[in-house]
Amino acid sequence: DAGITQSPRHKVTETGTPVTLRCHQTENHRYMYWYRQDPGHGLRLIHYSYGVKDTDKGEVSDGYSVSRSKTEDFLLTLESATSSQTSVYFCAISMTGVGGQPQHFGDGTRLSIL
Amino acid sequence: ILNVEQSPQSLHVQEGDSTNFTCSFPSSNFYALHWYRWETAKSPEALFVMTLNGDEKKKGRISATLNTKEGYSYLYIKGSQPEDSATYLCAFESNYQLIWGAGTKLIIKP
Repeated sequence: DAGITQSPRHKVTETGTPVTLRCHQTENHRYMYWYRQDPGHGLRLIHYSYGVKDTDKGEVSDGYSVSRSKTEDFLLTLESATSSQTSVYFCAISMTGVGGQPQHFGDGTRLSIL
Repeated sequence: ILNVEQSPQSLHVQEGDSTNFTCSFPSSNFYALHWYRWETAKSPEALFVMTLNGDEKKKGRISATLNTKEGYSYLYIKGSQPEDSATYLCAFESNYQLIWGAGTKLIIKP
């Protein structure tokens, strides 16, 4: 299994509080991704990174920010959490962003915003 | 807006039977088509990545085909077993991102 660790695995918090999710990889892969997964939807890309300090928005980036200060860590921040951000969040990594390399996923973080 | 459609949404199959399902994707700006297997309470796991029109990939009893000109891929499972129960996701690769279908949930009945 690819060395990807997401933390925390579960979190319950209140509306309006800041939340940071962490994705840590030991594979030295260049690309890292944050997805959310909701019932009835496929995985939806929030943000991705193509290198240290290089990030870009995905399909559902509103209300989220990211940072990547080291190759191995990709942080997802909800500045002021809302109930619509209750979801399961997955981090993924890939060696390259194109050319048919698979993505490898962490075990997910279940986030509940009350 | 790029759209990836999977059908059917769910599928009940008798153990031992073979089955297949479909992924439809845009036929323009194609880089690759990915298939993933997602078991309940686990994370998605890559099955195949296909890049060329006419590609066929096989892993054990599972195989996939690709038609980039008409924009579809089929996933086949031969002789279904209970451990094949999972959601099967396809994803269209374009511009450094994967655009995901909503998945086909496969349930194998013993």
